[in-house]
Formats: sequence, structure tokens, C-alpha cells
Amino acid sequence: SQQGEEDPQALSIQEGENATMNCSYKTSINNLQWYRQNSGRGLVHLILIRSNEREKHSGRLRVTLDTSKKSSSLLITASRAADTASYFCATPPGRGAQKLVFGQGTRLTINP
Amino acid sequence: DVKVTQSSRYLVKRTGEKVFLECVQDMDHENMFWYRQDPGLGLRLIYFSYDVKMKEKGDIPEGYSVSREKKERFSLILESASTNQTSMYLCASSLFGLGGRKSYEQYFGPGTRLTVT
Repeated sequence: SQQGEEDPQALSIQEGENATMNCSYKTSINNLQWYRQNSGRGLVHLILIRSNEREKHSGRLRVTLDTSKKSSSLLITASRAADTASYFCATPPGRGAQKLVFGQGTRLTINP
Repeated sequence: DVKVTQSSRYLVKRTGEKVFLECVQDMDHENMFWYRQDPGLGLRLIYFSYDVKMKEKGDIPEGYSVSREKKERFSLILESASTNQTSMYLCASSLFGLGGRKSYEQYFGPGTRLTVT
């Protein structure tokens, strides 16, 4: 079952620019999470935003959540080559669900 | 730091073999998950477990079984490996949400790239 859909599927920018990725989901949620995956590795949790939050920051990351539009965005500011990775949003498939459903991800490439 | 380890990074097996993928976490997490990841299909949940000896089917359980005899260990079993099970397999763990009402961040292992020939 597909809950989160990321947009764009791929993004290529120059080092130092900002990168924005979007995620849309279908059901009511109590939180939305973003993960990063470097090539051929496991996923790493970046940030969790709760349904009663509209914006959250962590270092160079800014996440917004609009529950009325069932959408979220991840902004990476001042991008670096090390930010090259795939980024996934993930949401519980329903309130109270222990598991997460992941989108297909955005492949971000930072060009030096 | 949470550590999730998987028994192999790369594995090559023959069609029809029984395959065991092992996952161990060291943070006393109740929940453990097995996913497979394929290009264009994202992560798909195979099985998850929220307690010892408890399991629930995910989206694609066919051809797989799991075992959780101890809290820290969650095994994925391919009863008779087939070429369409060639994939990257990812294990993850998380805390059990309070009263079953919350989901928490998942911690992933490095993955096992399985090739079935």
C-alpha cells in the first residue's frame, strides 16, 4: 500500500543551493517522518514532525507539515556533496499503527 | 546509539535453497520489521513483530516467514528461494508506541543484498 508520494523523483542541484522535496499522503496521521538513504545502505532517521506541529528545524533541515493538504516538505539549506542521497517520507498507515509506510523517495544529487 | 545489525551484507543463494536472514538490535525495542527494497518500488513491508513470538504480515509476505524467539533477534526465512526474491533486504526496529497509539522512528540495519541464481 502506498501512503506517501515524494516529488520530485529526482533532483540535481549545485553545492550551496537549497533543495526542497515534497511528500503527500492519504490518511490521517499522528506524525510524519523523513529518512535519508545513502547508496546501498540502510535508512537513517532525520526528523519526525507531529500532526500538531507545522514546522520543525534540525540543523540545515526544515520540515513543514500541512495536515489540511496532507502534505509535507523537506528543505535542506546550503547543500553539500555529502547530502547526495535518497530521501523518503514515511507515515503510519492509520492512527495507532506501529508500522510505517514509505514513499518511493527523492533521489538528490549535489554537484560540486 | 541504537545499533541494528544484519548477518550478511551480501549473499548469493541458489534457487530452491532455504535462506535465513538474521537481524539483531541492542536497544530493547519491542517492534522489529523486515522490508525489501527494489528499484522503482520503494520499501515494502514483508513482516513485522511487536513482541516475542508475535508477528503480523506486511504487504508482501508470500514466500517468506519470520521467527522471533528473543526480543533482540528477528529472522526472515525464505522457505524456497526464487529469482524474484533477489533484492535488498532491510531490517529495522522501533519502540512500541505508548498504549499502541503512537509510532516512533525506526532504526535500520545496513541491509543485505541477496542474489538468487
